[in-house]
Amino acid sequence: GQQVMQIPQYQHVQEGEDFTTYCNSSTTLSNIQWYKQRPGGHPVFLIQLVKSGEVKKQKRLTFQFGEAKKNSSLHITATQTTDVGTYFCAVLSYNTDKLIFGTGTRLQVFP
Amino acid sequence: NAGVTQTPKFRVLKTGQSMTLLCAQDMNHEYMYWYRQDPGMGLRLIHYSVGEGTTAKGEVPDGYNVSRLKKQNFLLGLESAAPSQTSVYFCASSYGDGAYNEQFFGPGTRLTVL
Repeated sequence: GQQVMQIPQYQHVQEGEDFTTYCNSSTTLSNIQWYKQRPGGHPVFLIQLVKSGEVKKQKRLTFQFGEAKKNSSLHITATQTTDVGTYFCAVLSYNTDKLIFGTGTRLQVFP
Repeated sequence: NAGVTQTPKFRVLKTGQSMTLLCAQDMNHEYMYWYRQDPGMGLRLIHYSVGEGTTAKGEVPDGYNVSRLKKQNFLLGLESAAPSQTSVYFCASSYGDGAYNEQFFGPGTRLTVL
């Protein structure tokens, strides 16, 4: 069946270090969304990527969609303690035609 | 605007009891969703609605029922709760199809079934 893998599961970094999480799909994707969930909070939409090779930036966050549209990455430059949380990718399920979420990457930032 | 609200915030049930979770949104969104979130498993879609009076099954619909009698409300019912339904439940809404549009999430309901 359709699989959406996120790596790593956990990442601990020192404040100021960079961080990258990857989302890999077994199938070609039409689009991909990224969400952030703070500890004890709810998911919050970050961005959507649609085009092959697309790169979008939001301040220190850089999102990329792979050329083959089977993977995506989220890179944070110079992490801050406010970046703590779990980052989820979400892709279209070919079974339900609705989003399925990856298992997430939990980021911990030490001051 | 309150956005998406959920009641209750916490609930403890005994096996076999029933309950209804209420989700309300004030953004005039057509689409609404119910997800459950379990440790290490991300969010899984239970049921969704594409408009008032319509509902459809998601990935994990068994043991749950939903209703969308009013556009702004989406109810999730558990007829006979089981320990496997212990989870955090999130409601979400979107203006267009959430597969292609931003989904706005509520604060969640933490449910424990003993």
